[in-house]
Amino acid sequence: EIVLTQSPATLSLSPGERATLSCRASQTINSYLAWFQQKPGQAPRLLIYDASNRATGIPARFSGSGSGTDFTLTISSLEPEDFAVYYCQQRSNWPPIFTFGPGTKVDIK
Amino acid sequence: QVQLVESGGGVVQPGRSLRLSCAASGFTFSNYAMHWVRQAPGKGLEWVALIAYDGRFQYYAESVKGRSTISRDDSKNMLYLQMNSLRVEDTAVYYCVREVTGYYMAYWGQGALVTVS
Repeated sequence: EIVLTQSPATLSLSPGERATLSCRASQTINSYLAWFQQKPGQAPRLLIYDASNRATGIPARFSGSGSGTDFTLTISSLEPEDFAVYYCQQRSNWPPIFTFGPGTKVDIK
Repeated sequence: QVQLVESGGGVVQPGRSLRLSCAASGFTFSNYAMHWVRQAPGKGLEWVALIAYDGRFQYYAESVKGRSTISRDDSKNMLYLQMNSLRVEDTAVYYCVREVTGYYMAYWGQGALVTVS
């Protein structure tokens, strides 16, 4: 079973700052890697798929990168609405089994 | 627009059964694979089950395998999750999720709370 580790657990930043979130897999997962944003009381929202493709309607300040076992979500300049919890998620090749990382909380410094 | 509305949550005793439903609208339901994903109170996300667009296959997380069945009724645009032998640790908000290409979880319902107590 592939385990995803996210760091840091909490990231305290100010609006306008750059956020860099890490997701590491216990083994190579190719490029099947997604990132989600979740705000309190809301369902998650897909931000990034295939490691680096923005989902429909996602602002350009969100970008994803990485391959193999190490992946990064970057928010170039934090907006007030970006303070939330972010999860990475992978899918095993076949059978399709999905796992999420434990999440990184981005809060206001 | 895509709408997913879960129902059937509630309080249930350990060992009992529950069926969650998800009403889909705003898209051609039969064209898409569907997931159930859950989130225990104050915890992270956990994938539960996947059903192919045509129902041809279903896959489950180890934590629910053998106790849960995902199914669909394309004539009614409905997705279901039958959960048996419920445990306290099954307490969670259960989300119905529509895929985009590659089984990515793109569209989420607002969730249904299941409390096993």
